[in-house]
Amino acid sequence: DVKVTQSSRYLVKRTGEKVFLECVQDMDHENMFWYRQDPGLGLRLIYFSYDVKMKEKGDIPEGYSVSREKKERFSLILESASTNQTSMYLCASSSWGGYTFGSGTRLTVV
Amino acid sequence: GENVEQHPSTLSVQEGDSAVIKCTYSDSASNYFPWYKQELGKRPQLIIDIRSNVGEKKDQRIAVTLNKTAKHFSLHITETQPEDSAVYFCAASMGDSSYKLIFGSGTRLLVRP
Repeated sequence: DVKVTQSSRYLVKRTGEKVFLECVQDMDHENMFWYRQDPGLGLRLIYFSYDVKMKEKGDIPEGYSVSREKKERFSLILESASTNQTSMYLCASSSWGGYTFGSGTRLTVV
Repeated sequence: GENVEQHPSTLSVQEGDSAVIKCTYSDSASNYFPWYKQELGKRPQLIIDIRSNVGEKKDQRIAVTLNKTAKHFSLHITETQPEDSAVYFCAASMGDSSYKLIFGSGTRLLVRP
């Protein structure tokens, strides 16, 4: 069973802080993704990576960056957190086809 | 850009009735269409998927149909039960690479006992 683990379930950060969200998968998947989930807006893709050190912007990359130094780990970075980045963040991985999601990190920026 | 539209946004049915959720997609090259179920406070989980070379797929009480010409695909749940209550998301692959998905906005299904 593929496991995708997100390091924090809940986070509260202050405006302007640099925030790191970590995601680790244990099934050697090539592809990893970061989405944010907001009511009524579904899942919106922030960034994805199809290989180590490779990354591509999704639909809403502004204010975010990512890092993939190892195949199993994909980090989302909020360079300077703002209140409009308060959201649920979901990480996912896949080799082909269907995604396996992590449990999500609910981030509140105050 | 490419998008996926999902309807309805909320759906309330009586236990035992059927539920249908519909999605349309814009990318004619899409070839993979998964459906995810997200229970309250939990992660989305894949419940069924279909590829473009198939028109229908069934798994017990759930089925998915695909009309490539019209760019429509639908989720059908028969004999609904209270545990079917959740948010359901459809998705379509971007282009012919099935690893990148675009999601619909979700349907909140409530099954009334």
